[in-house]
Amino acid sequence: AQKITQTQPGMFVQEKEAVTLDCTYDTSDQSYGLFWYKQPSSGEMIFLIYQGSYDEQNATEGRYSLNFQKARKSANLVISASQLGDSAMYFCAMRAYYGGSQGNLIFGKGTKLSVKP
Amino acid sequence: EPEVTQTPSHQVTQMGQEVILRCVPISNHLYFYWYRQILGQKVEFLVSFYNNEISEKSEIFDDQFSVERPDGSNFTLKIRSTKLEDSAMYFCASTLTYTDTQYFGPGTRLTVL
Repeated sequence: AQKITQTQPGMFVQEKEAVTLDCTYDTSDQSYGLFWYKQPSSGEMIFLIYQGSYDEQNATEGRYSLNFQKARKSANLVISASQLGDSAMYFCAMRAYYGGSQGNLIFGKGTKLSVKP
Repeated sequence: EPEVTQTPSHQVTQMGQEVILRCVPISNHLYFYWYRQILGQKVEFLVSFYNNEISEKSEIFDDQFSVERPDGSNFTLKIRSTKLEDSAMYFCASTLTYTDTQYFGPGTRLTVL
């Protein structure tokens, strides 16, 4: 069965510092995708970054980077130079292709990040 | 930039009533999804839809739920007889192919009294 684990229910970071949000996953599939979404207090889900299982380089999008360690089945999100607007819930998600799956996402429980001024 | 839209943003209903949640996916997208998030919990997959039919559904998506694409732009989720435990945020998402990134709408918060 596919599973995403986020072990940090809450994290604090000082403004302008970097922070790493942990995510481990479990799948027996060889082909899968890993995503991070941000959910501010307003509730919407904002796509941040994607990593494919066959991508050799770690994904980066502006201040976001994904530390992908395939052998350890981890896909940690690194946010550099934190800003107050980064305070939100962050969800790690996986899309796997098993059987006839049309790519539905499996989410972790999320990490609430609070950025302190 | 194209985006997924959802209406209404908040729906309050009485237990046993029918509700229809509406979504307008990104116009050239072909795969559509509904997810729900009970307050304080993780996001859960409900159903995926492609080529005018359900392609996959979770165990949450029982006979009380149905989806429809009534025209070329809207994608709806109907709950026939709402229960208290249906109270949640419902997200619609769409993607061009099922290997692409799914873009989420802003959600509809459903409150069942």
